[in-house]
Amino acid sequence: EIVMTQSPATLSVSPGERVTLSCRASQSISSKLAWYHQKPGQAPRLLIYGASTRATGIPARFSGSGSGTDFTLSISSLQSEDFAVYYCQQYNNWPLTFGGGTKVEIK
Amino acid sequence: QVQLQESGPGLVKPSGTLSLTCAVSGGSMSNDNWWSWIRQPPGKGLEWIGQIYHTGTTNYNASLKSRVSISVDKSKKQFSLKLSSVTAADTAVYYCARVDSIGLLGWFDPWGQGNLVTVSS
Repeated sequence: EIVMTQSPATLSVSPGERVTLSCRASQSISSKLAWYHQKPGQAPRLLIYGASTRATGIPARFSGSGSGTDFTLSISSLQSEDFAVYYCQQYNNWPLTFGGGTKVEIK
Repeated sequence: QVQLQESGPGLVKPSGTLSLTCAVSGGSMSNDNWWSWIRQPPGKGLEWIGQIYHTGTTNYNASLKSRVSISVDKSKKQFSLKLSSVTAADTAVYYCARVDSIGLLGWFDPWGQGNLVTVSS
């Protein structure tokens, strides 16, 4: 099983700041990585797939990069609606696995 | 656009069987998509349970394979999850989702709103 490790566990930031979240795979997954965010009481929502392709309707302030084992999700200017938990997910191997999440909270 | 809605009991007794159904609206189940179940224990992360194709072909997480069964009813546009011999560790919000992909493995979009299932006597 591929283990996905996200860091940091929690990030305290102010609105308008740039944010960078990290996701590392225990073995190479090429570019087969997706990012989601989840607000309290809601289902996760797809942000990025293929490591860098934004999903339909996702604002341009969200960008993804990386390949192999190391990936990054950046938010160029954090908006109030972006405070949430962010998860990465690999789809290179069975079973499909998620990272433990990074909580982005208001500083 | 496709929308998903889970339904089923919110309380299951230990050693019993958890049963949930996901209704698909706004699109066909017979397109080239897989349909998946994912769960999230309270305050914890996400775990993929398994997925099914409209032909009935399935793939399961090996950690749950001995207890899981996923089935599909295209005529009703729904797919279902059964998890047997449940314990308190199976308490979670259960989500259904469409698997989007180029091949067999992919990402999840969209998701249902989730159904909290508590295992307790």
